[in-house]
Amino acid sequence: AQSVTQLDSQVPVFEEAPVELRCNYSSSVSVYLFWYVQYPNQGLQLLLKYLSGSTLVESINGFEAEFNKSQTSFHLRKPSVHISDTAEYFCAVSENDYKLSFGAGTTVTVRA
Amino acid sequence: DTAVSQTPKYLVTQMGNDKSIKCEQNLGHDTMYWYKQDSKKFLKIMFSYNNKELIINETVPNRFSPKSPDKAHLNLHINSLELGDSAVYFCASSQKGRATGELFFGEGSRLTVL
Repeated sequence: AQSVTQLDSQVPVFEEAPVELRCNYSSSVSVYLFWYVQYPNQGLQLLLKYLSGSTLVESINGFEAEFNKSQTSFHLRKPSVHISDTAEYFCAVSENDYKLSFGAGTTVTVRA
Repeated sequence: DTAVSQTPKYLVTQMGNDKSIKCEQNLGHDTMYWYKQDSKKFLKIMFSYNNKELIINETVPNRFSPKSPDKAHLNLHINSLELGDSAVYFCASSQKGRATGELFFGEGSRLTVL
C-alpha cells in the first residue's frame, strides 16, 4: 500500500519569493503522482501530474514538480508566488485504478 | 454548468439524526468517490463506485451507506450521526479505470453535528 508524506504543514512566504513544498511517498510498485490545490471554501483542482517520461512536469500557472525515483520524492516549486497562490496544496499518489491517496496537505500563505 | 455538484453545501444537525448528501456529475464519468476532509484538512477516501458498482469501501462504519442510482449520481446517507462525523465531505468523479486520470471534485458539503 502506498502512503504520502508532506513534510511541511504550513509555509508562509512573501509575494514574489520562491516556494518549495516537499512530498515523499512510499510504494512497492510504480505509481502515478499528483499535486492538487484547494482554494478557500472550494473543492480540489488538479495542478499537475507525473505519469511517465520527463521527470519534470509543469502547470500552466508557473508551478513545477520533479519526480525523483531514488529519493521517492515529488516536490513542488514555484520561482515567484502571487497572493492568489494562497491555498492548501495536496500531494497524492495512485497505485491502482480507483484509489488516490492524499498527503496531509501544506497550507501556503502568501503575504504582500 | 457545474461539473460535480453536491447538495447541501452546509448541514447542521443534532447527534443521532440521519442525513443525506447528494452528488451529481455531468462529465460522463464512470467512477465516483466520496472523500472525508477532517478539521485538520486531511483527506481520506471513503467509497468508490464504478458504473454503479462498489469498488472501494475503506473501513467506513456501516452507519454510512452510499447509493448510486445511476453512474451520474452517488449519494451518501449517514445514520445515527455522531460528533466525530463533523467534517467536509467531497464528492469526486473520474473516467473509468484511469489511475492516470484527473479527479474532479465538488465544492464540498460541510456537516456539523451538535
